[in-house]
Amino acid sequence: NAGVTQTPKFRILKIGQSMTLQCTQDMNHNYMYWYRQDPGMGLKLIYYSVGAGITDKGEVPNGYNVSRSTTEDFPLRLELAAPSQTSVYFCASSLYTTEAFFGQGTRLTVV
Amino acid sequence: QKEVEQDPGPLSVPEGAIVSLNCTYSNSAFQYFMWYRQYSRKGPELLMYTYSSGNKEDGRFTAQVDKSSKYISLFIRDSQPSDSATYLCAMRTAGGTSYGKLTFGQGTILTVHP
Repeated sequence: NAGVTQTPKFRILKIGQSMTLQCTQDMNHNYMYWYRQDPGMGLKLIYYSVGAGITDKGEVPNGYNVSRSTTEDFPLRLELAAPSQTSVYFCASSLYTTEAFFGQGTRLTVV
Repeated sequence: QKEVEQDPGPLSVPEGAIVSLNCTYSNSAFQYFMWYRQYSRKGPELLMYTYSSGNKEDGRFTAQVDKSSKYISLFIRDSQPSDSATYLCAMRTAGGTSYGKLTFGQGTILTVHP
């Protein structure tokens, strides 16, 4: 099992550019999450999904969009990147209320 | 007010010390409580998982949940340098309008020095 796979691992974007962070899981988990983690800080929830076709906002959704067309994939879209979106992004998945498994993260820098 | 509050530390202790990490929360609907450990430049990994109030022990680690006080703790006995990491508490509800949502505390940076 690969678990939760995130791509890319690193990315540098220019202000105003767009990109999609990919996340896929092979554990048939119904819940999936996107978090951002700023230096020395905890995890802030951006968006989450409780199943294919269902998404909901977390604490910090502004500037991001998500979709969940399949159980396995939960891409995060950044439109018009801003320096404030420089962060480490983590995708996670869980089966209902059990533990969440995390990917290794995507380090994004917006310059 | 944040739903979950955690003292960010940093916390520095000598090897062999007992470490106490704590979180408070405001949402009385939280039913599932977790502690994650995160090493530098890695994703968080589950350390302990508890449901509702009570204690749970796993080796050198003990998790406590006091729902009446909205307070959870993680104790590490005989701490080792390999325990040096960021510890994050996390919580979720069992249902309701925000079911599925997993909320984290700020994380406490722990250093155990030899």
